[in-house]
Amino acid sequence: DGGITQSPKYLFRKEGQNVTLSCEQNLNHDAMYWYRQDPGQGLRLIYYSQIVNDFQKGDIAEGYSVSREKKESFPLTVTSAQKNPTAFYLCASSYQGSGNTIYFGEGSWLTVV
Amino acid sequence: SQQGEEDPQALSIQEGENATMNCSYKTSINNLQWYRQNSGRGLVHLILIRSNEREKHSGRLRVTLDTSKKSSSLLITASRAADTASYFCATDAKVQGAQKLVFGQGTRLTINP
Repeated sequence: DGGITQSPKYLFRKEGQNVTLSCEQNLNHDAMYWYRQDPGQGLRLIYYSQIVNDFQKGDIAEGYSVSREKKESFPLTVTSAQKNPTAFYLCASSYQGSGNTIYFGEGSWLTVV
Repeated sequence: SQQGEEDPQALSIQEGENATMNCSYKTSINNLQWYRQNSGRGLVHLILIRSNEREKHSGRLRVTLDTSKKSSSLLITASRAADTASYFCATDAKVQGAQKLVFGQGTRLTINP
């Protein structure tokens, strides 16, 4: 089936640890995105990538890092520098250009313990 | 502040009634999209309306766009319990020189059986 796969669904992080969220798509989309969603809130853009080996910071990039070595993959690392990482993280992808639908994965819940 | 803001933040109606949600935005847009999110899940695209369109239909959904008022509305007719979800508008606009899809805070819709 075509789509976006995020893993893991639930992740617990200890203080001071880095964790990486996986995002894979087989839709042949050029653009990929990471959003953060806090309870009862909208989505905020963390990072986005329009092409392999290139990515740009979104509105809340501090404490996060990404890579785009393959078209299909856009992993997000939540570093220890992110002071309040507990949230729901959504990966998405789309064709390039304005007016294209964004397709979302099912999300990953990250909790700091 | 948010590019897109939904109103109301929460809406509770009886099954069979119509539900109307509004979205206001601040800058010029190329298009506006509506998405649906079931609790704890990813977002699903519902409908896209371009800046030169005024109304669009898809099944029980009707979307209007008034670029002079910088606002859009989503109408769900003959609501069902399965329509219970959060609904987000997203505007495709240039923000700080880059083309981005910016999401509002969402409207939480509850359909009571």
